[in-house]
Amino acid sequence: QVQLQESGPGLVKPSGTLSLTCAVSGGSISSSNWWSWVRQPPGKGLEWIGEIYHSGSTNYNPSLKSRVTISVDKSKNQFSLKLSSVTAADTAVYYCARGATYDDAFDIWGQGTMVTVSS
Amino acid sequence: EIVLTQSPGTLSLSPGERATLSCRASQSVSSSYLAWYQQKPGQAPRLLIYGASSRATGIPDRFSGSGSGTDFTLTISRLEPEDFAVYYCQQYGSSRTFGQGTKLEIK
Repeated sequence: QVQLQESGPGLVKPSGTLSLTCAVSGGSISSSNWWSWVRQPPGKGLEWIGEIYHSGSTNYNPSLKSRVTISVDKSKNQFSLKLSSVTAADTAVYYCARGATYDDAFDIWGQGTMVTVSS
Repeated sequence: EIVLTQSPGTLSLSPGERATLSCRASQSVSSSYLAWYQQKPGQAPRLLIYGASSRATGIPDRFSGSGSGTDFTLTISRLEPEDFAVYYCQQYGSSRTFGQGTKLEIK
């Protein structure tokens, strides 16, 4: 079965760039799925960041669009998130998730990785 | 952007009782692209319902979803101890947005 695993630095300095990778195992990133990033600040709700298809097509949350880049690396079967000009408000658990083939609801999630923005 | 408002914010019930959670959209959700997720502390969300009323793989039949347009409901027919968690609705017909969540706690 498909599994997702996030990785990246747990601490990022203010004004810097947050960079995370989601490795896809047990399946191909070139399957008919959209691949998303979702974040959750401590004690708060879920926020969708954006998504990518294996072709490279992307969609972003309008509120984050100016700072977000999502890319795909088919050779490594993974996709990545870059969020620039970070502040303390970007401190959150970051999840990667798969849009279901049949429907686009998020049927598979990574375990999440905590990223803290602090000097 | 479609804004989803969930109510109540917190629901206090006992095991065996019926839970009814509401999700209201600021505009119509196309093709009933509405999902429900369950999240327990320290865990990633889990998909329960997609397409407003279809149960995801492995989800017990005590969970059911209904609604269309702007009003959607998640019903848990008989609460089990493991059902106490936070529940989120999500629309994915126009971009993707989540509701703010409903915490289901033990009374």
